[in-house]
Amino acid sequence: GAVVSQHPSWVICKSGTSVKIECRSLDFQATTMFWYRQFPKQSLMLMATSNEGSKATYEQGVEKDKFLINHASLTLSTLTVTSAHPEDSSFYICSARARRFDEQFFGPGTRLTVL
Amino acid sequence: AQKVTQAQTEISVVEKEDVTLDCVYETRDTTYYLFWYKQPPSGELVFLIRRNSFDEQNEISGRYSWNFQKSTSSFNFTITASQVVDSAVYFCALSSNSGYALNFGKGTSLLVTP
Repeated sequence: GAVVSQHPSWVICKSGTSVKIECRSLDFQATTMFWYRQFPKQSLMLMATSNEGSKATYEQGVEKDKFLINHASLTLSTLTVTSAHPEDSSFYICSARARRFDEQFFGPGTRLTVL
Repeated sequence: AQKVTQAQTEISVVEKEDVTLDCVYETRDTTYYLFWYKQPPSGELVFLIRRNSFDEQNEISGRYSWNFQKSTSSFNFTITASQVVDSAVYFCALSSNSGYALNFGKGTSLLVTP
């Protein structure tokens, strides 16, 4: 089966610092990767869609300068939370669309806590 | 616009009881996909089922079954003879295409007690 990994699985950082989260498709090429955010006891909300080699498309209300997404290869997308604040504390989940399967697979998520 | 409604926020049942989780969706697309995911306390999403809009056949997988009714725009999920390990948050989701981003419902938290 198709596997998507995320690193780190959890991270604690100080307010004002930047944090990078990696999303990798381990055994397939991902034409598209999606980033979702889930606040405690809430649903998953799509933040942005990234296609390999092009700029990410952000959902309304998501600050593109704060959440930098880079999709440099067909197996890696990164989400950088810049100048993190406590309200950015959340569970960030990526998913990758497999070119050959035409479906998407979710990573295990990254729990970010900003102190 | 697409919308998924899971009206049940929390459900608590005793082990071995049957439980049905409701999902109602809204979409203007003629082709769409419906999903159910399980999210245990660890947070990782576990894929349960995908169903496209042209396939209204109900599906059974072990203790799990799904009832898809386009007439009522519902895609309900039933767990038969529930077990403690079924305790989790269950999300219903909708997308225009199987490989596209998902619109999730708010989730139903299921607690199964011994």
